[in-house]
Amino acid sequence: AQSVTQLGSHVSVSEGALVLLRCNYSSSVPPYLFWYVQYPNQGLQLLLKYTSAATLVKGINGFEAEFKKSETSFHLTKPSAHMSDAAEYFCAVSETGFQKLVFGTGTRLLVSP
Amino acid sequence: NAGVTQTPKFQVLKTGQSMTLQCAQDMNHNSMYWYRQDPGMGLRLIYYSASEGTTDKGEVPNGYNVSRLNKREFSLRLESAAPSQTSVYFCASSVPGATNEKLFFGSGTQLSVL
Repeated sequence: AQSVTQLGSHVSVSEGALVLLRCNYSSSVPPYLFWYVQYPNQGLQLLLKYTSAATLVKGINGFEAEFKKSETSFHLTKPSAHMSDAAEYFCAVSETGFQKLVFGTGTRLLVSP
Repeated sequence: NAGVTQTPKFQVLKTGQSMTLQCAQDMNHNSMYWYRQDPGMGLRLIYYSASEGTTDKGEVPNGYNVSRLNKREFSLRLESAAPSQTSVYFCASSVPGATNEKLFFGSGTQLSVL
């Protein structure tokens, strides 16, 4: 069965610092992997997705994620945090489609001046 | 182009009351979904509808019913609300005929059951 583990329910960084949000997955087949962002009082928005075309995936707002099969990881990074990046981030995995999309428990990113 | 619209945004119910959460999308998407979001648990799928006229259970369907009224609308009904159903509910839709493409989410309904 597929599953997702997000390490750290909260991550705090200073503005301008590197952002690293961790995601490890479990899947019996090559998965589709996603990162979503949720701003306060809003629904989720897609940041980026991995669908086997390239291991390094670039998303919106300067975020990117690298698929590492040997580590079963799909960590989200951004070189320089901005105050507007403060939000909750969800990693998700799917083997077959959105009806089988499994979300992680989320990581809240806090950005301080 | 409004995307996915959910109503109401907030609702307080007493245990045993019923209510229907409404969802509509104007993007001509075939597939629609209902999720619930609870602290520390991420999003869990309640029901989904792959196309008009079909509905299927997700991970946590107990206590809920759904209706795919037409291609645009997908409603979620709580027949007899319980405190365990206190949650934030999200409706979503996906690009027609393209699995693993993109989910579009509504802004959510915050439901409290007392």
